[in-house]
Amino acid sequence: QSVLTQPPSVSAAPGQKVTISCSGSSSNIGNNYVSWYQQLPGTAPKLLICENNKRPSGIPDRFSGSKSATSATLGITGLQTGDEADYYCGTWDSSLSAGVFGGGTKLTVL
Amino acid sequence: QVTLKESGPALVKPTETLTLTCTFSGFSLSTSGMRVSWIRQPPGKALEWLARIDWDDDKFYSTSLETRLTISKDTSKNQVVLTMTNMDPVDTATYYCARFSGYNDAFDIWGQGTMVTVSS
Repeated sequence: QSVLTQPPSVSAAPGQKVTISCSGSSSNIGNNYVSWYQQLPGTAPKLLICENNKRPSGIPDRFSGSKSATSATLGITGLQTGDEADYYCGTWDSSLSAGVFGGGTKLTVL
Repeated sequence: QVTLKESGPALVKPTETLTLTCTFSGFSLSTSGMRVSWIRQPPGKALEWLARIDWDDDKFYSTSLETRLTISKDTSKNQVVLTMTNMDPVDTATYYCARFSGYNDAFDIWGQGTMVTVSS
């Protein structure tokens, strides 16, 4: 059971937009930065979004992040078949003094 | 260029102690704000954060595993070592080390991961 809650799966057609939610609490998302990771099949996770809404160098602006209170959202526009992957949110939990991840969301581009 | 690479045994027996080494380059773990974490992923399952060591030698552990985990660093060798005692088949997973940069407050660079199977 993950500390952060994500939907197990989302799907959309190529070219469309999708959002992935990540729900937590005041001890984690509410008071710490959220980051998002993309894990393509058989590969290590890759940083997509840091500090709630910043894109590291090289990440297309099709990817966006936002945070409100104890929830965060990853948005992907202009979906491509190459975006099919598992997506994870992550943050620090100040009460646990530990890192925490969501359970992951599998994106299918139909 | 920042890189991290995990190394260790691919197979361990139940009750044995696992020792994994993360060898990195392109940054120094003695630089303020730098941290390295271990994260694992059982086959087909989610990421699970295990432990973190900071530039100032602060250490943090998963509450559910802290009695079994020890993290340490050798700054001169650019290595971080994780030991996990009393291994069980449920610990079968890919183990990743990742840099946590204070610059962007995220795991910005990951190793390729090393698969560890626990079986007799």
